[in-house]
Amino acid sequence: GQQLNQSPQSMFIQEGEDVSMNCTSSSIFNTWLWYKQDPGEGPVLLIALYKAGELTSNGRLTAQFGITRKDSFLNISASIPSDVGIYFCAGQLTSGTYKYIFGTGTRLKVLA
Amino acid sequence: KAGVTQTPRYLIKTRGQQVTLSCSPISGHRSVSWYQQTPGQGLQFLFEYFSETQRNKGNFPGRFSGRQFSNSRSEMNVSTLELGDSALYLCASSELVADTQYFGPGTRLTVL
Repeated sequence: GQQLNQSPQSMFIQEGEDVSMNCTSSSIFNTWLWYKQDPGEGPVLLIALYKAGELTSNGRLTAQFGITRKDSFLNISASIPSDVGIYFCAGQLTSGTYKYIFGTGTRLKVLA
Repeated sequence: KAGVTQTPRYLIKTRGQQVTLSCSPISGHRSVSWYQQTPGQGLQFLFEYFSETQRNKGNFPGRFSGRQFSNSRSEMNVSTLELGDSALYLCASSELVADTQYFGPGTRLTVL
């Protein structure tokens, strides 16, 4: 199936550090969504982006919709232990089915 | 508002059996999408329903089917289960087709 390229695949960071992850594709998207998933649970929506160039924050999280509409990034500032989990991006196709394509996920581990 | 609910949360079946999973969307949401999540393939789109009609379909065999009721609740059925069907099945609801999606907690299906 279709997937977005998401990097890094995993990362270990120290508590208090900033984290950055991104998603790229050869396709253009209408919307970018960022989710966090804890083990055994469903993804929880963190940030939604609807316009190219849009920069949106949600607490310590900041995400941007790339100007080319082919990429997006998510930053987490001053990470804390509860930030541990898997972060997914999702891009919405601009035509046809308008369905969402999901990234492969970034597994984040925070060392206290 | 209550979130997306999925039942059951866990299921164990044997090969050849069939299974039905249920999803109740957020109140007022009329679109329901289903995804299969496995470690190897990530999140894969199964189908989307809106107003009791299937609007989009992913690349899964005909053993996977679904339906939506007039109250927007949706069910997914998998017949003749195979070992490879073991996965976390996620349901996501949105107000309309192609809107921002909110996920339920998922149903963990194990096929023995």
